[in-house]
Amino acid sequence: DIQMTQSPSSLSASVGDRVTITCRASQSISSYLNWYQQKPGKAPKLLIYAASSLQSGVPSRFSGSGSGTDFTLTISSLQPEDFATYYCQQSYSTLDTFGQGTKLEIK
Amino acid sequence: EVQLVQSGAEVKKPGESLKISCKGSGYSFTSYWIGWVRQMPGKGLEWMGIIYPGDSDTRYSPSFQGQVTISADKSISTAYLQWSSLKASDTAMYYCARRPGDWGNFDYWGQGTLVTVSS
Repeated sequence: DIQMTQSPSSLSASVGDRVTITCRASQSISSYLNWYQQKPGKAPKLLIYAASSLQSGVPSRFSGSGSGTDFTLTISSLQPEDFATYYCQQSYSTLDTFGQGTKLEIK
Repeated sequence: EVQLVQSGAEVKKPGESLKISCKGSGYSFTSYWIGWVRQMPGKGLEWMGIIYPGDSDTRYSPSFQGQVTISADKSISTAYLQWSSLKASDTAMYYCARRPGDWGNFDYWGQGTLVTVSS
């Protein structure tokens, strides 16, 4: 199995901050990396697919980068509605795996 | 409008069987993979498996192989997740999601089905 490791596991930040979350794969996954946002009691929402492609309707303050084993999700200027948990997902292998999640909290 | 609508919450006893559903609408159901994702209380997302309703090709995570069965009925645009003998550790929220073929992301999600297994 391909293991996905996110860091940090939790993060405190303020409105307006620039935030970066990283995801590392245990082997190369090319650009088969997706990012999701999940708010309490809600289904996950796709933000970024193929490492850097913004899903339709997602604000442009979200961006993704990376290839191979190291990836980042950046939120350029945090908004109140961005406080949530973020997950990466590798879809390179036939059997996908998610990272353990990063909880983004208000400082 | 693409929608995935899941069946309602279930409360079951250990050892009982269960089949939950996920009905797709607003797109060609047979042309996209459907995946199932588990979220145990207070925990992260776990990829369980996927099915291609067009030909019922199914893939399971090793963690879930033999524990659950994923199926689909393309005549009614519905995918299923079933257990033959539930355990307390199956208590979780279960999501279905649509997976376009190119990059393996899940672009549309169901609202989730909460399964509670308790004696």
